[in-house]
Amino acid sequence: RKEVEQDPGPFNVPEGATVAFNCTYSNSASQSFFWYRQDCRKEPKLLMSVYSSGNEDGRFTAQLNRASQYISLLIRDSKLSDSATYLCVVNVRDTGFQKLVFGTGTRLLVSP
Amino acid sequence: EAQVTQNPRYLITVTGKKLTVTCSQNMNHEYMSWYRQDPGLGLRQIYYSMNVEVTDKGDVPEGYKVSRKEKRNFPLILESPSPNQTSLYFCASSFLGLAGGNMNTQYFGPGTRLTVL
Repeated sequence: RKEVEQDPGPFNVPEGATVAFNCTYSNSASQSFFWYRQDCRKEPKLLMSVYSSGNEDGRFTAQLNRASQYISLLIRDSKLSDSATYLCVVNVRDTGFQKLVFGTGTRLLVSP
Repeated sequence: EAQVTQNPRYLITVTGKKLTVTCSQNMNHEYMSWYRQDPGLGLRQIYYSMNVEVTDKGDVPEGYKVSRKEKRNFPLILESPSPNQTSLYFCASSFLGLAGGNMNTQYFGPGTRLTVL
């Protein structure tokens, strides 16, 4: 089983739609969770961290469910510029050092 | 401007010809890492370094070497490249944070697209 699993998509949505992505992780000791955004052939960039109580940043809402070991990202009022691949990222403890494990990403296409 | 730089950005080479991809960061980060990204496999860590002269293997280290002689630089060396090393490579850096605490945000370089014929 992969340490971090995501639906690869693509999710095709019209402008203005609300779309949600989920991600599951296998290591119950994971402590930090993030969503990164990656545009085609470019480097990943941090979109937002995910906190236990859930957090919001403008049109983006991230939630964490530790019991079920999944993370979600909700995008409201989608814009054309939201088209990208969204990477779920989890930190895992490996021989005492924490490292980031990346999901393979969920591709979002927002159309006019 | 805070950034991670990589060179070259694009490289086509032949099997067996040694190459080095440079990575440099100007944020005084302790932690640096190399990843490769392949379709359907996501980002996989090759090597990482927690500080000068401290390096360790990631998940896919075979065929690669690294060095960390200075804090800002973390070159990736392919002594004898093979076609299965054709990939998109990213260097990343971050602060280590407090011992036992959460990892800080990783900043990525722009990527190096390598083709080995």
